[in-house]
Amino acid sequence: DVKVTQSSRYLVKRTGEKVFLECVQDMDHENMFWYRQDPGLGLRLIYFSYDVKMKEKGDIPEGYSVSREKKERFSLILESASTNQTSMYLCASSMPLGAQYFGPGTRLLVL
Amino acid sequence: GQQVMQIPQYQHVQEGEDFTTYCNSSTTLSNIQWYKQRPGGHPVFLIQLVKSGEVKKQKRLTFQFGEAKKNSSLHITATQTTDVGTYFCAGPGAGGTSYGKLTFGQGTILTVHP
Repeated sequence: DVKVTQSSRYLVKRTGEKVFLECVQDMDHENMFWYRQDPGLGLRLIYFSYDVKMKEKGDIPEGYSVSREKKERFSLILESASTNQTSMYLCASSMPLGAQYFGPGTRLLVL
Repeated sequence: GQQVMQIPQYQHVQEGEDFTTYCNSSTTLSNIQWYKQRPGGHPVFLIQLVKSGEVKKQKRLTFQFGEAKKNSSLHITATQTTDVGTYFCAGPGAGGTSYGKLTFGQGTILTVHP
């Protein structure tokens, strides 16, 4: 079975803090994704990586950066957390054009 | 950019009633995927449709891809309480490095009353 794990299920941070969210997949997938999910807005793509050290902006990249140094690991970085970044963050991985497999999500609260 | 619209946003049904959610894209899609997210859970892949006019069934779920490959539907026959959740459709991005991206619809939240 494909397994996608995320470093935390719940996280509480203060405004201005630097936040790291980590995602690891064990299926040797080329593609990895970071989404945020907010009520009524569905899943919105933040960043996407199609290979090690390669990244592409999604629909809402502002305030975020990513890092993919190894194929299995994709990190989302909030350089200076703000209250409007309070959300559920979902990581996913896939083969090109294949189904996406999601991690359990990290619910982030920024105070 | 590409848009994927999904209706309805909410649907309440009595257990045993049928349910349908519809997905429309602003552009022709090479394929469409459907996902289900249980309350408190994460999206789980259900199916992918590729061919024009394709119909696939999974037990009580019937998935259809339109002839023009711009719309799709998911129909559940005789809903059960286990069908509760949010159903998302998703279509791939345009070519180039976007080929791995998906654009998700906003989802339909299904509530089933026993």
